[in-house]
Amino acid sequence: DQQVKQNSPSLSVQEGRISILNCDYTNSMFDYFLWYKKYPAEGPTFLISISSIKDKNEDGRFTVFLNKSAKHLSLHIVPSQPGDSAVYFCAARYYSNYQLIWGAGTKLIIKP
Amino acid sequence: ETGVTQSPTHLIKTRGQQVTLRCSSQSGHNTVSWYQQALGQGPQFIFQYYREEENGRGNFPPRFSGLQFPNYSSELNVNALELDDSALYLCASSLGLAGREETQYFGPGTRLLVL
Repeated sequence: DQQVKQNSPSLSVQEGRISILNCDYTNSMFDYFLWYKKYPAEGPTFLISISSIKDKNEDGRFTVFLNKSAKHLSLHIVPSQPGDSAVYFCAARYYSNYQLIWGAGTKLIIKP
Repeated sequence: ETGVTQSPTHLIKTRGQQVTLRCSSQSGHNTVSWYQQALGQGPQFIFQYYREEENGRGNFPPRFSGLQFPNYSSELNVNALELDDSALYLCASSLGLAGREETQYFGPGTRLLVL
């Protein structure tokens, strides 16, 4: 039973355009959502987060949107750069014990 | 300031064997979390150690056990290895307890293959 789903295993975007990565969740007990980026042979690194009481959080080229009624969040990267090519994980945190539940990841490829 | 390191980088074992994976946390960090990432999946929380005591555990059987040492480095032990234990094992360190995910730093992982 996947509580956090990233339905696109991969996404290819032209350099300079917008990349939109999606994530769906099923559990209403999540209070915080995070995006991580992972390069090959490295551990995941924190990218951006959003509290369940907000609907948008922005940090430079990265913006996360949360639609609670649809149980959906998305990460927008604009403009996309070659260094953004990586696997992106969405993770949701349980409010009761702070455990993170992760999606399976989306591999983003930025084409020059 | 040194980052999170893990050893070994790769390991091959056979079913039924035991394995110990090691993690050195980032300087100044006193909390270590372990995750299992199977191929094509996201990381799954195994357990967390804070100041040498287990502080939370995911849905893993007791044959997965851990230790945290006074210098806050940590070990993950897996007994009676099964084929499904083949995965990337990630260690992450942070300062303090939960709610600090933004300042949780991951090591590069140990790739375990069970034959």
